[in-house]
Amino acid sequence: AQSVTQLDSHVSVSEGTPVLLRCNYSSSYSPSLFWYVQHPNKGLQLLLKYTSAATLVKGINGFEAEFKKSETSFHLTKPSAHMSDAAEYFCVVKSPGAAGNKLTFGGGTRVLVKP
Amino acid sequence: DGGITQSPKYLFRKEGQNVTLSCEQNLNHDAMYWYRQDPGQGLRLIYYSQIVNDFQKGDIAEGYSVSREKKESFPLTVTSAQKNPTAFYLCASNQQGPYGYTFGSGTRLTVV
Repeated sequence: AQSVTQLDSHVSVSEGTPVLLRCNYSSSYSPSLFWYVQHPNKGLQLLLKYTSAATLVKGINGFEAEFKKSETSFHLTKPSAHMSDAAEYFCVVKSPGAAGNKLTFGGGTRVLVKP
Repeated sequence: DGGITQSPKYLFRKEGQNVTLSCEQNLNHDAMYWYRQDPGQGLRLIYYSQIVNDFQKGDIAEGYSVSREKKESFPLTVTSAQKNPTAFYLCASNQQGPYGYTFGSGTRLTVV
């Protein structure tokens, strides 16, 4: 079984300050992990993915995430928030052989960026 | 460019009507999925299909139906049996292996 918990439903940051979105996962096997971003009334866009290569993964728009197996975490960070980062972010897990090749989504974290 | 096309972007339905949401992909992906998104509830899986002419119920299949007659197409019908169909609907596809989904841009369905 696989599951994902995003520890914060809302995060508020000031423009130019760091962003941290926390994600913990549960998986019976070595999982693949993803972060997606969704702007209002849009589909989800892939930010980055971890698939058992380097544990520090760099994505688009200056985001990166670190896979920590001992902590079963995959937190997303960005050194300096921009107004355009205001969106909802989803942490996603996929276990090898997952039924239906399905991904499991966290509940989402909504990011507010203050000027 | 390859991708997933959902149409229409906005759809209005009268109570008691069936409506069909379109999802087409040209990525040659085997698997396709339909999710429903409601405010504060994340994404919930409605139906998925791993191959042509085969599909399985997800977590909230009641009141919905799908077909998969072609690899590229996975239409979703919202029937009159769905009691609360107003939501944002997302279609996605992927390949076997450590791959994520590619998403369409979504259809917002409103019951009037």
